[in-house]
Amino acid sequence: AQSVTQLGSHVSVSEGALVLLRCNYSSSVPPYLFWYVQYPNQGLQLLLKYTTGATLVKGINGFEAEFKKSETSFHLTKPSAHMSDAAEYFCAVTPYSSASKIIFGSGTRLSIRP
Amino acid sequence: SQTIHQWPATLVQPVGSPLSLECTVEGTSNPNLYWYRQAAGRGLQLLFYSVGIGQISSEVPQNLSASRPQDRQFILSSKKLLLSDSGFYLCAVLGTQSYEQYFGPGTRLTVT
Repeated sequence: AQSVTQLGSHVSVSEGALVLLRCNYSSSVPPYLFWYVQYPNQGLQLLLKYTTGATLVKGINGFEAEFKKSETSFHLTKPSAHMSDAAEYFCAVTPYSSASKIIFGSGTRLSIRP
Repeated sequence: SQTIHQWPATLVQPVGSPLSLECTVEGTSNPNLYWYRQAAGRGLQLLFYSVGIGQISSEVPQNLSASRPQDRQFILSSKKLLLSDSGFYLCAVLGTQSYEQYFGPGTRLTVT
């Protein structure tokens, strides 16, 4: 069975500071991993994904994430936060053997202080 | 690329009234389709998914039902709404490359 844990339901950083959103997963088979962003009253937008190959994945809006199998982690980072990054972020996992479902974490709300 | 439409964008309905939310997809054929709900301040809850016309899998027994009358149409319904049905309803389609899902703009439902 797969599961996702996002540490911290709310993260607040200053504009220009490093953004680090934590995600740990549990999967009995090699996973595909995703980060989504949701702005208020909008649907989810895919930020980036890890499937196979390079463990450091770059996404849109300057975000990147690193797949660490030994730590079962897929943390999301951005070197310098911008006010427009304020949103809800969801980590998600799916086993590559099944196309039926994605398991989502509970989400982390990112606030940016001016 | 796929485009997902959801209708209506917002809805206010009294308790006990029926519900019909529609999701239509463009740019793909025979897609896997999903209905999710977000209650206020909470994460995503998978309600239903469909791998083809007339094929519906229910994840949570509740007051809602889903139907897929056409290949690219997915409908969420209720005969009698409850206050607890309030939330943000999202339709999603499975991508064709790496099992990611793409989401529609959502429907905000308020049951009064």
